[in-house]
Amino acid sequence: DQQVKQNSPSLSVQEGRISILNCDYTNSMFDYFLWYKKYPAEGPTFLISISSIKDKNEDGRFTVFLNKSAKHLSLHIVPSQPGDSAVYFCAFSSNTGKLIFGQGTTLQVKP
Amino acid sequence: KAGVTQTPRYLIKTRGQQVTLSCSPISGHRSVSWYQQTPGQGLQFLFEYFSETQRNKGNFPGRFSGRQFSNSRSEMNVSTLELGDSALYLCASSPTPGLAGGSYNEQFFGPGTRLTVL
Repeated sequence: DQQVKQNSPSLSVQEGRISILNCDYTNSMFDYFLWYKKYPAEGPTFLISISSIKDKNEDGRFTVFLNKSAKHLSLHIVPSQPGDSAVYFCAFSSNTGKLIFGQGTTLQVKP
Repeated sequence: KAGVTQTPRYLIKTRGQQVTLSCSPISGHRSVSWYQQTPGQGLQFLFEYFSETQRNKGNFPGRFSGRQFSNSRSEMNVSTLELGDSALYLCASSPTPGLAGGSYNEQFFGPGTRLTVL
């Protein structure tokens, strides 16, 4: 039972353009929505989060959008940089703190 | 402040063997969670420990077990290894589980232990 789906396994974007990563979920009980970034041979690192009471959170080049009615989460990176090339995981948390991750999307930003 | 450390980083075992992986959380962090990462499945939650007690458990068979010590260090054990257990096992720590003061308690991940079962 996949509660979280990242339907695009990979995404390729030109440097300077916008990267949009998407995530769909089924559980309405999630309280927090997060994005993690993972480089090879490293553990995931926290990128940005949004609580269920908001629909947008911005941090520099990264903006997360939450559409609760559509049960859809997205991450916008603008402008994209080659150093952004990594695997991006969306993750969801209830108030217990347990994280449920998506399958990941590999982003490649071409110079 | 030192990050989350996991040992060993790489491990090769054969089917039927058992394995123990170790995780040392960030100093002061008392919550430790374990995840399994496989291609196509993303990160799947194994279990979470806080103050030496298991708080949450994912949908894994009983061959997967864990424990946490009084110094917050944690170990996970997999018995009777199967080929499908080959994966990257990640440990994450946070000060406390869940939400604190209305803010999400970010989990800090270690580099993982790459387990290969032959």
